[in-house]
Amino acid sequence: DVKVTQSSRYLVKRTGEKVFLECVQDMDHENMFWYRQDPGLGLRLIYFSYDVKMKEKGDIPEGYSVSREKKERFSLILESASTNQTSMYLCASSEEGRGAFFGQGTRLTVV
Amino acid sequence: AQKITQTQPGMFVQEKEAVTLDCTYDTSDPSYGLFWYKQPSSGEMIFLIYQGSYDQQNATEGRYSLNFQKARKSANLVISASQLGDSAMYFCAMRDNNQGGKLIFGQGTELSVKP
Repeated sequence: DVKVTQSSRYLVKRTGEKVFLECVQDMDHENMFWYRQDPGLGLRLIYFSYDVKMKEKGDIPEGYSVSREKKERFSLILESASTNQTSMYLCASSEEGRGAFFGQGTRLTVV
Repeated sequence: AQKITQTQPGMFVQEKEAVTLDCTYDTSDPSYGLFWYKQPSSGEMIFLIYQGSYDQQNATEGRYSLNFQKARKSANLVISASQLGDSAMYFCAMRDNNQGGKLIFGQGTELSVKP
């Protein structure tokens, strides 16, 4: 079975904290993605990566950074968490000609 | 620019009947992939079916089939014999293979299956 695993299902953090969301895939996929999902706004792409150490900004990269040191791991970093970053965060991985698979999601609350 | 459009915010279907969820897309690139996902209330995005732009036949996966009409740029999802567990949000998505595999999503359709 294909597997994309996000480190936390639920997370509560304080304003100003540095937050790390981890995502690991076991399918040897080249491409990995971070999205956030908010009611009425759908899925919005934050960052994606098409290779190790490569990253591209998505539609809403402000306030976020990413790290991809190994092919299987793609980390999303909130440099200084703010309440408007309270959201559902979804990680995905894909390969050309094959399916794209998501992790279980992380519901982040910033208080 | 690439775009995915789902025009049905909500749909109802009777249990055991078939239902079609609409999806149209816009891209100028010849190489792309199309996906459908199911998102139940738990929030997990469940991959249902994939269609490549060069695939000659429509994709099928169990009760799911993708009605791919390339000239019309549509990729409708057909669910046969609906079940109560099919009630969920459904998202259509497109991957642009010429832009690092970037995935873009439609706004989703909420499907409710009535007993």
